Amino acid sequence: DAMVIQNPRYQVTQFGKPVTLSCSQTLNHNVMYWYQQKSSQAPKLLFHYYDKDFNNEADTPDNFQSRRPNTSFCFLDIRSPGLGDAAMYLCATSTRQSGLTDTQYFGPGTRLTVL
Amino acid sequence: DQQVKQNSPSLSVQEGRISILNCDYTNSMFDYFLWYKKYPAEGPTFLISISSIKDKNEDGRFTVFLNKSAKHLSLHIVPSQPGDSAVYFCAASARETSGSRLTFGEGTQLTVNP
Repeated sequence: DAMVIQNPRYQVTQFGKPVTLSCSQTLNHNVMYWYQQKSSQAPKLLFHYYDKDFNNEADTPDNFQSRRPNTSFCFLDIRSPGLGDAAMYLCATSTRQSGLTDTQYFGPGTRLTVL
Repeated sequence: DQQVKQNSPSLSVQEGRISILNCDYTNSMFDYFLWYKKYPAEGPTFLISISSIKDKNEDGRFTVFLNKSAKHLSLHIVPSQPGDSAVYFCAASARETSGSRLTFGEGTQLTVNP
């Protein structure tokens, strides 16, 4: 089945220790998104790639970076995690269609804990 | 600045009855609206959507209503089933200015009791 896969599902890191979260997709979608969702809050878009074009949200901290080495994979790097970065990180994909809003397909998320 | 708001954090209904989930928005540029459902330990899954040129869209037990003048949309589930118990997120897009970027509400936890 075509799907969006996130690894690991649970990640524990130490304060200030860099961490990388992984997302892969078999849908061959050209757009990939990273969201941060804290408890009982709305998912918040951090950035997205349209093919290789990186689009950062204005309020995304510099501590968060992303890489997309190919169509299938996208990584979220947190350079120096703080306690406030503990959250669920959701990856989503979509295919850009002219004149339409793309339905986004989500992975199961990675729960990040910062000690 | 919360542009999409779901004012009810939770809703409990009896199996077989109607569930009505509400969502309000403030950005008049939003022209496409979606509902996602999320089970624990899973990512959100797309449920139903509506364009601003319509006021109603129906898919099986699920109907979304849009009232543009009130900047309000609602999701109706009839009849409700225990398997519908999940968190429901409302999302909106402003295609002209923001492309496919979605703004989400905080979610409403629906519990359908047998």
